[in-house]
Amino acid sequence: EAEVAQSPRYKITEKSQAVAFWCDPISGHATLYWYRQILGQGPELLVQFQDESVVDDSQLPKDRFSAERLKGVDSTLKIQPAELGDSAMYLCASSLDRTYSPLHFGNGTRLTVT
Amino acid sequence: KNEVEQSPQNLTAQEEEFITINCSYSVGISALHWLQQHPGGGIVSLFMLSSGKKKHGRLIATINIQEKHSSLHITASHPRDSAVYICAVEGNTGNQFYFGTGTSLTVIP
Repeated sequence: EAEVAQSPRYKITEKSQAVAFWCDPISGHATLYWYRQILGQGPELLVQFQDESVVDDSQLPKDRFSAERLKGVDSTLKIQPAELGDSAMYLCASSLDRTYSPLHFGNGTRLTVT
Repeated sequence: KNEVEQSPQNLTAQEEEFITINCSYSVGISALHWLQQHPGGGIVSLFMLSSGKKKHGRLIATINIQEKHSSLHITASHPRDSAVYICAVEGNTGNQFYFGTGTSLTVIP
């Protein structure tokens, strides 16, 4: 079964450094989501793409976070500079461009900022 | 504001117990999803439903659209069922998802 690919699986970085995460959604999935999940909480949406366009980035801390999906396929989420509070699991998910579509998650990137 | 509320937050059960996890939501939805997350692992979709009931093995999910409520049941629970179960709803205005905070289930042998 096709999967959402994410890398790296784990990342440890010092505060004030830059860090980037990559996501390759399931082929044909127009909608891509980046979520942040803090331990013990549900996923929190950071940004939603429809093809290459940002649909919702209202919860993205734009002073330090950026996301792009230039060709409407894979996507990169960047944090610069990283802060201690950014330590979390970063999850990528994708779905077909229609309602009542299953949501498929990647395995996530566990970020630790020291 | 929490569009999706789950209960209980934590649940410990003995093996073979019947388990129920509840989810209430406040937005109009096109579908409701039950997700499973193992410690350190990714998230797996268990069910997607918009009405009635679905069953997969020992798992049963029900939804009452009028009451904006869903339940996930696990029959004959097993230690391998230990995970976080997350309720998510898909809003009816364009691929937007709202997540509950999850229910952490521990099944003791």
